[in-house]
Amino acid sequence: EVQLLESGGGLVQPGGSLRLSCAASGFKFGAYWMNWVRQVSGKGLEWVANIEHDGNMKFSADSVKGRFTVSRDNDKNLLYLQMNSLGVEDTAVYYCARAGDFSSSPIDFWGQGTLVTVSS
Amino acid sequence: SYVLTQPPSVSVAPGKTARIPCGGDNIEAKSVHWYQQQPGQAPVPVIHYDRDRPSGIPERFSGSNSGNTATLTISRVEAGDEADYYCQVWDRSGHWVFGGGTKLTVL
Repeated sequence: EVQLLESGGGLVQPGGSLRLSCAASGFKFGAYWMNWVRQVSGKGLEWVANIEHDGNMKFSADSVKGRFTVSRDNDKNLLYLQMNSLGVEDTAVYYCARAGDFSSSPIDFWGQGTLVTVSS
Repeated sequence: SYVLTQPPSVSVAPGKTARIPCGGDNIEAKSVHWYQQQPGQAPVPVIHYDRDRPSGIPERFSGSNSGNTATLTISRVEAGDEADYYCQVWDRSGHWVFGGGTKLTVL
């Protein structure tokens, strides 16, 4: 059974940092592109970043570029999102999501999300 | 960057057909994917590559893509179909773009 379990969310002050993790199981983690997608409460989905199978190729949304970094450890089946210089606008549920073989492959499985709250 | 436009809401009576549009410049040149999100739940894919249904998705769900509009069609709508629906495309810049989402209300 495919499982994606996010962790690391919580309350952080503006300007602070947080690292999210996503533990993958039930599939060959190293064979898939992986994504982070976020959702402000009551609002729509916003793609944040993605990363290629071996971690060499990465893309990120303009809204987080230079502040957020996606990475992965295929030996541990873990996906990460390092978030720096956090602002209140980054408050959201962050989903880990699996895609396919290519950067253009659609998302076929989502985790349940972890809540990040940026507030003083 | 590429923009996808969805109506905020669509309403339909049970047993009828719901059509949820997703507008974008020459969207027919892109592959459109659709996700359903029930309240408090993670999204679930319902249509990939314009018209392909992932395993487990009922045949009542179908998709099309032509010109500047892609459409998710739900036939014989049931109460359980009430949810938010999002379209998504891949931008050649390597970025994913989501539409703003449409809330489907079953009357």
